[in-house]
Amino acid sequence: GQNIDQPTEMTATEGAIVQINCTYQTSGFNGLFWYQQHAGEAPTFLSYNVLDGLEEKGRFSSFLSRSKGYSYLLLKELQMKDSASYLCAASDSNYQLIWGAGTKLIIKP
Amino acid sequence: GAVVSQHPSWVICKSGTSVKIECRSLDFQATTMFWYRQFPKQSLMLMATSNEGSKATYEQGVEKDKFLINHASLTLSTLTVTSAHPEDSSFYICSASRGLDYNEQFFGPGTRLTVL
Repeated sequence: GQNIDQPTEMTATEGAIVQINCTYQTSGFNGLFWYQQHAGEAPTFLSYNVLDGLEEKGRFSSFLSRSKGYSYLLLKELQMKDSASYLCAASDSNYQLIWGAGTKLIIKP
Repeated sequence: GAVVSQHPSWVICKSGTSVKIECRSLDFQATTMFWYRQFPKQSLMLMATSNEGSKATYEQGVEKDKFLINHASLTLSTLTVTSAHPEDSSFYICSASRGLDYNEQFFGPGTRLTVL
């Protein structure tokens, strides 16, 4: 079956760095998405990886290892506004997104 | 670019009534639109996928006669919740893909439905 695993909740300190991991098992693979979702709002796109390696975009970076079925989202210089849920989603052979349950990130001052 | 709107943003209705939610891609043509439901503190659950001019493909466990989807044009899809009941209360989110850009989905702001 198809499955996405990510931690339910993480806590970090303002100004610090946090890494949110995601492992996936899908029928075929056409890339890995990370979305940010604030409470009561729709998800917003953060990143997309289809090749192995690290993609850096400002304070956020995303890494993919296809052989390991593994990705992580790295957030640097954390700000209070980064408190949100972070959703990992893998695109399968039909380009359908398989969603993880999301990781709730709590930022403390 | 790639903006998706939803209307209404929230709705309260009585049990047994029907509610229509509109999803529009404002500045692009959406080859595919997706409808999701999200209960509090849970992840997105895909309800159905629709392509313009064809019948929607529903996920297992989603009643197609209860959740009517019409993808009438490349910029508009509607979801009608028929004979709504309190258990249908949820956050409904649509997304649209333009068939480019690795099929990235652009999300609407969501519609919060409360059935009394």
